Parts: sequence; C-alpha cells; structure tokens
Amino acid sequence: EIVMTQSPITLSVSPGEGATLSCRASQSVSSNLAWYQQKPGQAPRLLIYGASSKATGVPARFSGSGSGTEFTLTISSLRSEDFAIYYCQQYDNWPRFTFGPGTKVDIK
Amino acid sequence: EVQLVQSGAEVKKPGESLKISCKTSGYIFINYWIGWVRQMPGEGLEWMGMVYPADSDTRYSPSFEGQVTISSDKSITTAYLQWTSLKASDSAMYYCVRLGLRYTEDNWFDPWGQGTLLTVSS
Repeated sequence: EIVMTQSPITLSVSPGEGATLSCRASQSVSSNLAWYQQKPGQAPRLLIYGASSKATGVPARFSGSGSGTEFTLTISSLRSEDFAIYYCQQYDNWPRFTFGPGTKVDIK
Repeated sequence: EVQLVQSGAEVKKPGESLKISCKTSGYIFINYWIGWVRQMPGEGLEWMGMVYPADSDTRYSPSFEGQVTISSDKSITTAYLQWTSLKASDSAMYYCVRLGLRYTEDNWFDPWGQGTLLTVSS
C-alpha cells in the first residue's frame, strides 16, 4: 500500500495570505495525485487532478505542483471560503487508492 | 451535469443488514467505475472499493474485502453498498464517487455524492 502523508496537520493563516500544503507519497505515484477540499458538513470536492490540473470551477488562486513523491497545493490569497480540510489522494496504485490524513487550514 | 444522489440517513441496530444507494445521472453509467469512501466521525477519508457497472467487475480495498458488498443496477443507473451484519464500528458517513473510464489512469474522484450517514447503535 502507498502511504500518503501531509504536512502540516494544521495551518493557521490570515485572510489574504498565501498557504502552501505538502503531500508526500511513500513511493512514486507519477502525476496520479488529486487534491480535495472538504468544508464542515459537506462532501469533499475535487480541486486538482493529475497533480496540477484544476477541476472545473476551481478558482485560479488554487494551484498544484509536483510529481513522483512530493506534491504541493498552493492557495495564493486565502478567502473566507477556503478555510477547510484539504486531502491529497494517490490513484496511481490501482485499485488500492489511498488518501493522506488531511491538512486543516484555519483562520489565524 | 453529472450528479450522484445518495439515499438518506440510517439508524440501525448491531446485527442488522443494510443496503444504501447512489443514484447517478448525467453520464453513461456503465462506462465509469463508481466507488465508495468511508469517513468515520472526526476522521479522514478511506477508500472502500468500486464497481464497473458494464460487467459488475468489483474491486475492494483490503481493509473492506469481505466486510461489505458493492454492486450496481444498470437499468436504474444506481450503485449500492451493502452490509449483512452491521457493527457499531460501521457508524460513519459514506460517500459514493465517480471514477474514470475503464483502462485509463483518470481515477480521481469526481463528483461526490452528498453522503449517507449511518448510525449503528443498540
């Protein structure tokens, strides 16, 4: 099984500031990496697939990068609606997909 | 628009059986894998397994193999997650998700159903 780790566990950010979230895979997943956003009481929503491609409707302030084992989700200028939990997920090891434990982005 | 609409919340007793559903629309149902994700209270996301509706090919995460059954009904474009004997530890939110076409690597999860909350308590 490919183990996904995320850091930090919690990130405190002021509105308008940028945020950088990290995700690491225990072995290479190529670019088969997705990011999801989950707000309280809601289902997760796809933000990024293929490590860097934005899903439909995702604002330009979100961007993804990386390949292999190291990935980053960057939010350029946080808005109130961006405070949420962010999960990375590898879908390279079919069909044994795995998620990271999540990074909670909260208001500083 | 692709939509996944799940059945409502359930309250069950240990030992009871249950089948929850995920009604899909807006795409060709038989061509895409459809799967299930568990989220226990206050916890992260866990991949459970998936079904390919065209031929009912089913794959499970090792953690859920033998614990649940995933199925689908092409005639009503609906996927199911089933338990034969519930335990308190099955209490969680369950999401259905659409994956990619067969034989592709496009297996990100999009969209997600709204979730079905299962509570198992005596």
